[in-house]
Parts: sequence; C-alpha cells; structure tokens
Amino acid sequence: SQTIHQWPATLVQPVGSPLSLECTVEGTSNPNLYWYRQAAGRGLQLLFYSVGIGQISSEVPQNLSASRPQDRQFILSSKKLLLSDSGFYLCAWGQTGFEQYFGPGTRLTVT
Amino acid sequence: KQEVTQIPAALSVPEGENLVLNCSFTDSAIYNLQWFRQDPGKGLTSLLLIQSSQREQTSGRLNASLDKSSGRSTLYIAASQPGDSATYLCAAVRPGTYKYIFGTGTRLKVLA
Repeated sequence: SQTIHQWPATLVQPVGSPLSLECTVEGTSNPNLYWYRQAAGRGLQLLFYSVGIGQISSEVPQNLSASRPQDRQFILSSKKLLLSDSGFYLCAWGQTGFEQYFGPGTRLTVT
Repeated sequence: KQEVTQIPAALSVPEGENLVLNCSFTDSAIYNLQWFRQDPGKGLTSLLLIQSSQREQTSGRLNASLDKSSGRSTLYIAASQPGDSATYLCAAVRPGTYKYIFGTGTRLKVLA
C-alpha cells in the first residue's frame, strides 16, 4: 500500500529564516506530487505540482520554491520566510486525473 | 474556469440523523469528483471518488452522487455519529489533467 510522509510535523521559525519541508511517498512510482497551503479558516491553495523528476509547475508567485530531486521526494523551500507564510502545509500525491492522497501536514508558524 | 462551492459552510445535527452535504461546480464538462474528510490539525482523508462516467459511489454509511447536468455532487451520511464530526471537502479534477479544484468545505458537528 502507498504511504506519504511529511516532516517536520510542526515548525516555528523567525521571519527571514530559511525553510525546508520534505515529503516522501512509498509504494508507488512516478506519482504526481503536490504542495498545498491551508491558512487558518481558508481553503486549500495549490502552491506547486510536479509530474516528474525536475519538473515543477508553480501556481502562486511567492517567495517559496519546490524541487523534486527523486521520483518520490518533493521539497518545499524558502530562502527568507515572511509572516504571511504561516499556515498548514500539505503534500499530496496522485495519478493523473484520479484520486489524490494527502500527507499528515506540517504546521508552520513564522514569528 | 471551474469553481467549486460547498454550502452550508457549517452544519450541526443530532446523532443518528441522516444528512446530505452539497458540492456545486460551475463547469459541467467531464470531471471526476473526490470527497475528503479533514479532522482538526490533520491531513485530508480520501472518502470517495466518483468518476465522470459514474453516478454514485458507496462506502459503508457514505454515498456520494454526481449529477453533471446540474453541476452538483452530494455526500449522504447515514445514521450520523459523533465520530463523523469533521470538515468535509470536495474536489473536481478533469481526467487527464493534474489540477484539483477544491471547495472551501462544510464543517460538520454531530451532537451526542
């Protein structure tokens, strides 16, 4: 069966510090991978998606970036965090046009 | 452009009631529709996927239907329990594409 991992589970970072969130998927190959952000009381915002190694599509211009160094690894990064980057970050995987499966999420608080 | 709406935003019902959650979408073209559950502070759990060629899917006490002509999907929960309390989200995805369009969710509370 497929499993998706995210870490860390929670993170408190000062403004201006760097960020690296990691997501890995087990039990499937060549998945589509996604990063979403969920701000308090708001819906899911798609940040990035990837259909293959090194292929990244950005949905929202911001100070975040994503990378996919391996087939089942997806990384969300920032060089300098802003207060507005606080939120709940969710990684997901799916096969094109079908079910999508989510990880447990990372709660990021920027202080 | 596809937009997905969920009404009501919040719902509170006594235990044992049968209830219906609604999901409306503006583009009635061919889309698969997926229902999720999210508990506070947790990720989304997939409940049901209805492919565009299907009219409904069932899993236990859950039944989801899809009516493309009216641009609606409903999630029916039978004999609701306090453990069903969560936020329910629906998402539409066009077969062969990568982007899922999410509704803003319905926050359900089932009272014991």
